[in-house]
Amino acid sequence: DVKVTQSSRYRVKRTGEKVFLECVQDMDHENMFWYRQDPGLGLRLIYFSYDVKMKEKGDIPEGYSVSREKKERFSLILESASTNQTSMYLCASTVALTGAYEQYFGPGTRLTVT
Amino acid sequence: GQNIDQPTEMTATEGAIVQINCTYQTSGFNGLFWYQQHAGEAPTFLSYNVLDGLEEKGRFSSFLSRSKGYSYLLLKELQMKDSASYLCAVTDSNYQLIWGAGTKLIIKP
Repeated sequence: DVKVTQSSRYRVKRTGEKVFLECVQDMDHENMFWYRQDPGLGLRLIYFSYDVKMKEKGDIPEGYSVSREKKERFSLILESASTNQTSMYLCASTVALTGAYEQYFGPGTRLTVT
Repeated sequence: GQNIDQPTEMTATEGAIVQINCTYQTSGFNGLFWYQQHAGEAPTFLSYNVLDGLEEKGRFSSFLSRSKGYSYLLLKELQMKDSASYLCAVTDSNYQLIWGAGTKLIIKP
């Protein structure tokens, strides 16, 4: 059974704190993604990675950075959390960007920044 | 810009049929996905269309017309467990996945 796991379902952080969100997949997928999901806006891509140590900015990278040191792990970093980063964060992975290859999602982390 | 439009919310009755529409304007087209997302859970894959026509998978079918930039998801014999959001997503010419905001489907007994 394929699986994408995220380090926690809920996090509460204070403004200005550094936040690490971890994602691990056990499917040996090359491609991994970080999205945030807000009501009425759909999924918005923050960053994605197509290989170890490789990263590409998505639509809304400002205020975020990522790290991919191992194939199975993709981390999202909020350098200095702000209240407008309160959101649901979803990690996903896929074997390929082309064709009928679905993205597999983790359960999500609901981050609240106060 | 790139845009995917879906109705925000729909209501249907248990046992009935519902059609959820999706229209898209993207820079290129390399396939269209439908995902289901129950409240508080992750999206899960339902279907993929890249050629025009209807793809049937049990109670769910998905249709694509590339010339019209249009797709629909058809759900038959609705069950209460089908209450969820349904997300339409298009792969553009750069093989990036563009997501719609989703349609919340409410099933009433």
